[in-house]
Amino acid sequence: ETGVTQSPTHLIKTRGQQVTLRCSSQSGHNTVSWYQQALGQGPQFIFQYYREEENGRGNFPPRFSGLQFPNYSSELNVNALELDDSALYLCASSQTGEWGYTFGSGTRLTVV
Amino acid sequence: AQRVTQPEKLLSVFKGAPVELKCNYSYSGSPELFWYVQYSRQRLQLLLRHISRESIKGFTADLNKGETSFHLKKPFAQEEDSAMYYCALSADNYGQNFVFGPGTRLSVLP
Repeated sequence: ETGVTQSPTHLIKTRGQQVTLRCSSQSGHNTVSWYQQALGQGPQFIFQYYREEENGRGNFPPRFSGLQFPNYSSELNVNALELDDSALYLCASSQTGEWGYTFGSGTRLTVV
Repeated sequence: AQRVTQPEKLLSVFKGAPVELKCNYSYSGSPELFWYVQYSRQRLQLLLRHISRESIKGFTADLNKGETSFHLKKPFAQEEDSAMYYCALSADNYGQNFVFGPGTRLSVLP
């Protein structure tokens, strides 16, 4: 598949635990962005990675961190999970200098 | 601060009726404005952006800088238009790192 793929699709974690979400970028894309979409709200920008470095960040605490790998795939890590972290996490990939995004289907995280 | 508001959570219209989904924004510079759509069980996808001045699936949107609005319009709604619509603002030149509104669910009734 050449689109953006995310894994897992669903996840249940306990408060205080840590979680890692994964994203494979669309072929040819070198930039990845992560969004959090709480129930009934629009997506909120978490951060963007380019060339394996964070390249912009939204209003999220440091316990939200990420990685981008040489093959441009990416991880979103969240430490010390809180109940409010329950949301759909979206990954979007893009190519620097070119217009637009491709979104993945998301990972639904439930914190209990 | 950058902000996008969509005053209607739900909008219901009958098939063939005109549709207008409202969007207002606050941003100090010259933003790029977009509409994204999410059909049932599908991923978020771009519907249109103001700079291209396109009409996609019969939808148009005009950027009104005086009123800081970017309302989405379609003269004759179709049942397949039923979906979640998000207005979004991007402060960069490549349509990335969006600020999204809360979304409006459009329901087109037969």
